[in-house]
Amino acid sequence: TQLLEQSPQFLSIQEGENLTVYCNSSSVFSSLQWYRQEPGEGPVLLVTVVTGGEVKKLKRLTFQFGDARKDSSLHITAAQPGDTGLYLCAGVAAGNKLTFGGGTRVLVKP
Amino acid sequence: ETGVTQTPRHLVMGMTNKKSLKCEQHLGHNAMYWYKQSAKKPLELMFVYNFKEQTENNSVPSRFSPECPNSSHLFLHLHTLQPEDSALYLCASSQLVAGGPRVIALAKNIQYFGAGTRLSVL
Repeated sequence: TQLLEQSPQFLSIQEGENLTVYCNSSSVFSSLQWYRQEPGEGPVLLVTVVTGGEVKKLKRLTFQFGDARKDSSLHITAAQPGDTGLYLCAGVAAGNKLTFGGGTRVLVKP
Repeated sequence: ETGVTQTPRHLVMGMTNKKSLKCEQHLGHNAMYWYKQSAKKPLELMFVYNFKEQTENNSVPSRFSPECPNSSHLFLHLHTLQPEDSALYLCASSQLVAGGPRVIALAKNIQYFGAGTRLSVL
């Protein structure tokens, strides 16, 4: 069983602060996805990272895939209340199997 | 709007009831999934259908019975559920790419989720 551990489980910050969410595994993934889930909705894909060491930027969000393709991080700069939600990482392994992490619940207070 | 529609959005049922959850995808995808999302637990994959054929059943109790009549529709039939089955049930679809190892490696299996059905079992 491939496990993806996310940390922290919960993060509460003030608007304008920065935050980082981590996603770690002992297994290698062919790619890794980050989703955000808002209350009352299903998860929505933010980004996919494929290459070890890859860094992708999406406005104030920066995603990094570890060199060994076992871990990833999501960094949000100058967080806004609209960034509030549950952030999920998901690793794609052989046979297209997708494994989700436990999620990080982010609350950005105005 | 993700192109995946789930009904109903909310469902309350007793342990002796029989009900069904419905999912429809308008994305032309070839794979559909049922997930269970409980508080304090990772998203749990329940069933996978690829081209209408069930390809995965993650040791789900028989009180959950999936049905996939075509590649656009997926149902989850529920009967004699337990209170611990209360959760958000999410449907998703994706486009799986068949082919050799290189093609499979490039396939990212991006999931498009519906908004879910919030199920409460009394």
